[in-house]
Amino acid sequence: AQTVTQSQPEMSVQEAETVTLSCTYDTSESDYYLFWYKQPPSRQMILVIRQEAYKQQNATENRFSVNFQKAAKSFSLKISDSQLGDAAMYFCAYRSVDNTDKLIFGTGTRLQVFP
Amino acid sequence: DSGVTQTPKHLITATGQRVTLRCSPRSGDLSVYWYQQSLDQGLQFLIQYYNGEERAKGNILERFSAQQFPDLHSELNLSSLELGDSALYFCASSVSVTASNNEQFFGPGTRLTVL
Repeated sequence: AQTVTQSQPEMSVQEAETVTLSCTYDTSESDYYLFWYKQPPSRQMILVIRQEAYKQQNATENRFSVNFQKAAKSFSLKISDSQLGDAAMYFCAYRSVDNTDKLIFGTGTRLQVFP
Repeated sequence: DSGVTQTPKHLITATGQRVTLRCSPRSGDLSVYWYQQSLDQGLQFLIQYYNGEERAKGNILERFSAQQFPDLHSELNLSSLELGDSALYFCASSVSVTASNNEQFFGPGTRLTVL
């Protein structure tokens, strides 16, 4: 079974600085998808970024980028030019390419942003 | 706003009772997923329906059941409630299954408190 591990329960960053959130996963599959979701205090789950395992190029969405290391089974999220609105819980998630679409989530990292 | 609606937003009930959570997917989405977010278990996949049929099951208790109706809305029924069932229940929807860009859009969640 696949597992997702987020080893940083909490992280903090100063406004305008850069922060990296870590995620590792375990799978025997060669093809899969990885995601970062943001959960602000409103509790809404918001997709931040997506990575297909067959793509070597790291995904980027504006200030958010990932460092995908397939051999190491690592998928970290880098937030550049951090803003107060980035403060939230961040969840790393895994999805197989089999006939189910279930997301397997890590335990989350709480990000605080200081002015 | 993801386009996924969930009712009610909050639900407070007593142990032993039964409740029904409702989800309306985004227009055009055929697949519905239920997730439970609790303090001790984190975010867990419960069950998935696709176009009215059960597609995948996760760690869903026998006391819980779900269905998807012809109009594609879904209901999650929780019975013989226990204190440990207190959690945030999310519904998500997606266009289909296993497509490469099959993003799941999450509703705002229903917070269930069992007293």
